[in-house]
Amino acid sequence: KNEVEQSPQNLTAQEGEFITINCSYSVGISALHWLQQHPGGGIVSLFMLSSGKKKHGRLIATINIQEKHSSLHITASHPRDSAVYICAAPHYGGSQGNLIFGKGTKLSVKP
Amino acid sequence: DVKVTQSSRYLVKRTGEKVFLECVQDMDHENMFWYRQDPGLGLRLIYFSYDVKMKEKGDIPEGYSVSREKKERFSLILESASTNQTSMYLCASTITSAGSGAFFGQGTRLTVV
Repeated sequence: KNEVEQSPQNLTAQEGEFITINCSYSVGISALHWLQQHPGGGIVSLFMLSSGKKKHGRLIATINIQEKHSSLHITASHPRDSAVYICAAPHYGGSQGNLIFGKGTKLSVKP
Repeated sequence: DVKVTQSSRYLVKRTGEKVFLECVQDMDHENMFWYRQDPGLGLRLIYFSYDVKMKEKGDIPEGYSVSREKKERFSLILESASTNQTSMYLCASTITSAGSGAFFGQGTRLTVV
């Protein structure tokens, strides 16, 4: 059974700063999810990655399968990036099945 | 685009009422999930289903049941609502093959008074 840890829990940044959120997990997997939740509740899937790096706009996600660690980076942060960022991994390893979630990182970007 | 739709954004129910939360997905996904989200505890799995009429308990199934009569619809049932079931409820769906993402509904904020 996987355990997913995220850090930091809360993060406050000034507009323009480079942001890093970390995620580690305990059971080997071949796919990890990064999700974004805005105030109001809706969750959007940002990335699903199994190796290396993925980039979408100012968001970059990396994963090191051997070290059981992933990071989400935001370049040139903006107040609209303020949200809760959540990583999730398959509960019993592998790439599929039900997901277990980190507790989330609440990001607040100040203008 | 995959769409996962939950029937209500906000619900207020009385203690002891039977409550139905509905979730519908339009992309023929095999797997559907119900989570609840509480401050400091994150998202926790209540029930999931890999196929029609199939259900599996998650980490916190007590006080809940589910129904999956059709592939596109997964219902969460609170048999007798209690105040400790006040929470945000999220439905998600995925396909079975590797390489798929997880798609979430917009969430239902349930308050039990």
